[in-house]
Amino acid sequence: GENVEQHPSTLSVQEGDSAVIKCTYSDSASNYFPWYKQELGKRPQLIIDIRSNVGEKKDQRIAVTLNKTAKHFSLHITETQPEDSAVYFCAPRGDKIIFGKGTRLHILP
Amino acid sequence: ETGVTQSPTHLIKTRGQQVTLRCSSQSGHNTVSWYQQALGQGPQFIFQYYREEENGRGNFPPRFSGLQFPNYSSELNVNALELDDSALYLCASSSGTGGGEKTQYFGPGTRLLVL
Repeated sequence: GENVEQHPSTLSVQEGDSAVIKCTYSDSASNYFPWYKQELGKRPQLIIDIRSNVGEKKDQRIAVTLNKTAKHFSLHITETQPEDSAVYFCAPRGDKIIFGKGTRLHILP
Repeated sequence: ETGVTQSPTHLIKTRGQQVTLRCSSQSGHNTVSWYQQALGQGPQFIFQYYREEENGRGNFPPRFSGLQFPNYSSELNVNALELDDSALYLCASSSGTGGGEKTQYFGPGTRLLVL
């Protein structure tokens, strides 16, 4: 079956540093690549997405890069802040909708 | 916050019972997807409804069923509840032709506990 993997599963970074989370997928039909942020007890919220005809997209401190050939895309957060602490999920979409297992990001003071 | 609402917010049931969860999609959206999120896990896709028809299904048994109404709100029904059905159930709405590229907006979820 189709597979989605996120790395790392847990990430701790000093406030102000950058964080990078990678998502690898197997479905070659995937054409939409979103990242969601989920705070404890809350719903997943879309923070950035990219479509298959674009290699990179940036929105202030958040960026997503896509490598369709290698079948992976990454979330980049720069100048991290305490409110960035949350669980982040990738959910590449092709024939199916499959979420990764999540990356717990801790921002250290 | 999104315009997607879900009811109830919390529910406690016993094994073998049946449950119905409800979702109102955001205005202008015609597609609703349902997900099950166990504690500490990512959401798992149950199924999607587009214009009142099922439009894709994940690896869930037939006792998980759904409906979408003409106003695009939706229900998730689970029969013969099992302990492992305890989870947060999320719905997400989107607009478009029922394809896979549209941005989804999640509701706050219904937390189901099966005893």
